[in-house]
Amino acid sequence: NAGVMQNPRHLVRRRGQEARLRCSPMKGHSHVYWYRQLPEEGLKFMVYLQKENIIDESGMPKERFSAEFPKEGPSILRIQQVVRGDSAAYFCASSPDRGLNTEAFFGQGTRLTVV
Amino acid sequence: SQELEQSPQSLIVQEGKNLTINCTSSKTLYGLYWYKQKYGEGLIFLMMLQKGGEEKSHEKITAKLDEKKQQSSLHITASQPSHAGIYLCGAPWGGGSNYKLTFGKGTLLTVNP
Repeated sequence: NAGVMQNPRHLVRRRGQEARLRCSPMKGHSHVYWYRQLPEEGLKFMVYLQKENIIDESGMPKERFSAEFPKEGPSILRIQQVVRGDSAAYFCASSPDRGLNTEAFFGQGTRLTVV
Repeated sequence: SQELEQSPQSLIVQEGKNLTINCTSSKTLYGLYWYKQKYGEGLIFLMMLQKGGEEKSHEKITAKLDEKKQQSSLHITASQPSHAGIYLCGAPWGGGSNYKLTFGKGTLLTVNP
């Protein structure tokens, strides 16, 4: 059973370009979460999605950031018109349900560098 | 202010020594997750503690949750170079589910051979 798969592992974008980060959850997991790890800061929650639904996006920046988890295919975190401050490691996690005592498994992350 | 404080921020030990990492919360803990992160890599799930007084062990790593003290500790016995990395604690304060894990800033562990 493969773990949470994220790609690409590393992504370099010039300021103003778009970045698309992909996350395939573990088999049987229908809940996906995105976190961001900025240099010198801890991991911060961004968004929680179930298939075709955004459940909680309270941690998402108001502009330029969007996320989706379609019926088929991976979850996508999209950052439009990237700026240097978007440079960070973006992690995806998945779980089989949203219960309090559910283990959440993280992917290897995508390291975005904006130049 | 940080809701989850980890101490120490960094730790250097000699191989074979025991060590303890603490995670102290400013709010009531409804559970506590421990992860390990190698530099530049993803998070490896270690343990999930669900209730006060609970203690779990995996190989040479033991974690305890003291709800009254709003604290969890991670203890490594007879440390090895493979234990080196960043240890993160996370608390689920997302309204009864685990998705909004709030993390501490981590403890960087170095184990010298």
